[in-house]
Amino acid sequence: GQQVMQIPQYQHVQEGEDFTTYCNSSTTLSNIQWYKQRPGGHPVFLIQLVKSGEVKKQKRLTFQFGEAKKNSSLHITATQTTDVGTYFCAGRGTHSGAGSYQLTFGKGTKLSVIP
Amino acid sequence: NAGVTQTPKFQVLKTGQSMTLQCAQDMNHEYMSWYRQDPGMGLRLIHYSVGAGITDQGEVPNGYNVSRSTTEDFPLRLLSAAPSQTSVYFCASSYGGSTEAFFGQGTRLTVV
Repeated sequence: GQQVMQIPQYQHVQEGEDFTTYCNSSTTLSNIQWYKQRPGGHPVFLIQLVKSGEVKKQKRLTFQFGEAKKNSSLHITATQTTDVGTYFCAGRGTHSGAGSYQLTFGKGTKLSVIP
Repeated sequence: NAGVTQTPKFQVLKTGQSMTLQCAQDMNHEYMSWYRQDPGMGLRLIHYSVGAGITDQGEVPNGYNVSRSTTEDFPLRLLSAAPSQTSVYFCASSYGGSTEAFFGQGTRLTVV
């Protein structure tokens, strides 16, 4: 089945440093989504990427989707304490039918920011 | 709108007991799913439904049953709880196959 690998598992940064998490899929994806989960909270949708090579920005966050639609990254510039949490990527496969609704999540990258 | 509502928020069960985790959404979403979250394992899909009357298994379905009699509700049943089912359970819904998923607040289940 489809697998989504995400690295690193943990990242500790000083406030103001940059942070990047990477996702790789074993199969070509139709789209990839990114979620943020604050400690003790639930996953909250950040963004969806659909096109090959797509780059989207949300303030200090930059999301990329690879040309082959098998990898993606999230980069945060100048981290703040409010960025603390676990960031998950989640990919959808290219097959049709009910299975196309399924999201396969990476294991997440837990970000700690040291003030 | 309430979004996705899960009950209860916390539950402690004894091994062998059964229970139902409730999930309801008021956004008229056709797709609903249940995930479990364990430390270091991310979110793993248990069961999902693409509409009323239609359910299917995800990655880790053993020990769980679901049904979808209405668009709004998607309960998850634990038939005979085991310590391995100690986890945080999230219900999620989405409008279609390519839209964002909305998650409930989660149910923290402990089986002793």
